Amino acid sequence: DAGITQSPRHKVTETGTPVTLRCHQTENHRYMYWYRQDPGHGLRLIHYSYGVKDTDKGEVSDGYSVSRSKTEDFLLTLESATSSQTSVYFCAISESTDGRAYEQYFGPGTRLTVT
Amino acid sequence: QKEVEQDPGPLSVPEGAIVSLNCTYSNSAFQYFMWYRQYSRKGPELLMYTYSSGNKEDGRFTAQVDKSSKYISLFIRDSQPSDSATYLCAMTPGGKLIFGQGTELSVKP
Repeated sequence: DAGITQSPRHKVTETGTPVTLRCHQTENHRYMYWYRQDPGHGLRLIHYSYGVKDTDKGEVSDGYSVSRSKTEDFLLTLESATSSQTSVYFCAISESTDGRAYEQYFGPGTRLTVT
Repeated sequence: QKEVEQDPGPLSVPEGAIVSLNCTYSNSAFQYFMWYRQYSRKGPELLMYTYSSGNKEDGRFTAQVDKSSKYISLFIRDSQPSDSATYLCAMTPGGKLIFGQGTELSVKP
C-alpha cells in the first residue's frame, strides 16, 4: 500500500459523536486525499491537501473537516457522526514531480459504522 | 448525469477469456486516464495510466483511450482467477480525479 497506513481500520460509533481518522505516509508525498466509497457511488473526494496546513474541499465535504500539521499525517474528523457517514474511507497520496501528479496511491481503508 | 459512467456488472467470464471493461465520460477536458484494480476489502491499486488518446500495453493488460468518442477501455488477455476484482476507471483534466463506480469482475477456473 505504498507506505500508507490508516487508523483505525474498523470503528463503530454512535450518532452525534466526533470521530477522527488518521492517515500516515512514509513517502514524503506532497498531496494527500480523503475519499469515501459507497455502493453505487464509487470513490468520492471529501477533502484534499496540497501541503502542510494547505487543504481544500472536495465533492462531499459537508460534515467533515481535515487537518495537516505534518507532511506525513492527514486527519479526517467527522464533527458529529451521522448514519449517512457509514462508509469505507480511503486515504490516498500523490506527488507532483515528473508529470505524474495524477497517479494516486491508496491506503488500506477504514470501515466506519455509525449506529 | 454522472461525469463518468461505468457499468457495475457483475461480469463473469471463464479463465482464459479476453475481458473488456469500459467507461464513458462527458467532460471533453479530461486528458489523464487511469485504471485501478481493487480486491475485496482492500484499497485500490493503480494498474494503468494513460495520457491523451491511444493505446498502452502492460503485459496482459491494454488500456485504450478514444477521446473523439469519450470512451476508454481496459482489455485483459488470458484472464486468470487472480484477476477477479473490481476495476475502477478514473480521469482528470489536470486536477482532482473523477472515478467511475467500478465494474466487478469474476474469472471462473
